[in-house]
Amino acid sequence: DQQVKQNSPSLSVQEGRISILNCDYTNSMFDYFLWYKKYPAEGPTFLISISSIKDKNEDGRFTVFLNKSAKHLSLHIVPSQPGDSAVYFCAASERYGGSQGNLIFGKGTKLSVKP
Amino acid sequence: DTEVTQTPKHLVMGMTNKKSLKCEQHMGHRAMYWYKQKAKKPPELMFVYSYEKLSINESVPSRFSPECPNSSLLNLHLHALQPEDSALYLCASSPPGGQGIREQYFGPGTRLTVT
Repeated sequence: DQQVKQNSPSLSVQEGRISILNCDYTNSMFDYFLWYKKYPAEGPTFLISISSIKDKNEDGRFTVFLNKSAKHLSLHIVPSQPGDSAVYFCAASERYGGSQGNLIFGKGTKLSVKP
Repeated sequence: DTEVTQTPKHLVMGMTNKKSLKCEQHMGHRAMYWYKQKAKKPPELMFVYSYEKLSINESVPSRFSPECPNSSLLNLHLHALQPEDSALYLCASSPPGGQGIREQYFGPGTRLTVT
């Protein structure tokens, strides 16, 4: 049973426009969420995170929004650049429980930013 | 320094070989992880070391044997692997949990091919 879901396998956006990547989760014990970016044949690169006590966190062109009641988070990239083309993974962790601190990953969304 | 290094970058081994993957970090992180990633799939957790002690083994076959010689080094010993074990093996590390930071920093991975 997937606890973290990224329902869009791919997304194509024009350069300069906004990219919105979505992620849903089912485990109400998750209290920390992260986004990673991954290029082929490389390790994931940490992008941005958000704690469940916040509903927004911003870092440069990247903003993550968290809607706890809907168990939904999204990553906004503005403006999108061709170098942003990669696979984006959403991940979640819970402070307590059997997997405390470990990351549960979604299946990823492949973002293509066209010049 | 937010770098996790892994060697070798690529490894081809036969099913009767014994080889080791190495991971190193000098960020003072006290948790280190091994993940396996197949193409178009999210990283899959294999092992977690916390303060040099194995804390989680996600039902990984015994042909994979982890070792944490010290707080900066993590090894994965491989023996009698199967072709289906071919994958990208990722190492990650994270700060001590008391700091409230749960980001994991990944290395570039070792691309393993079992023939």
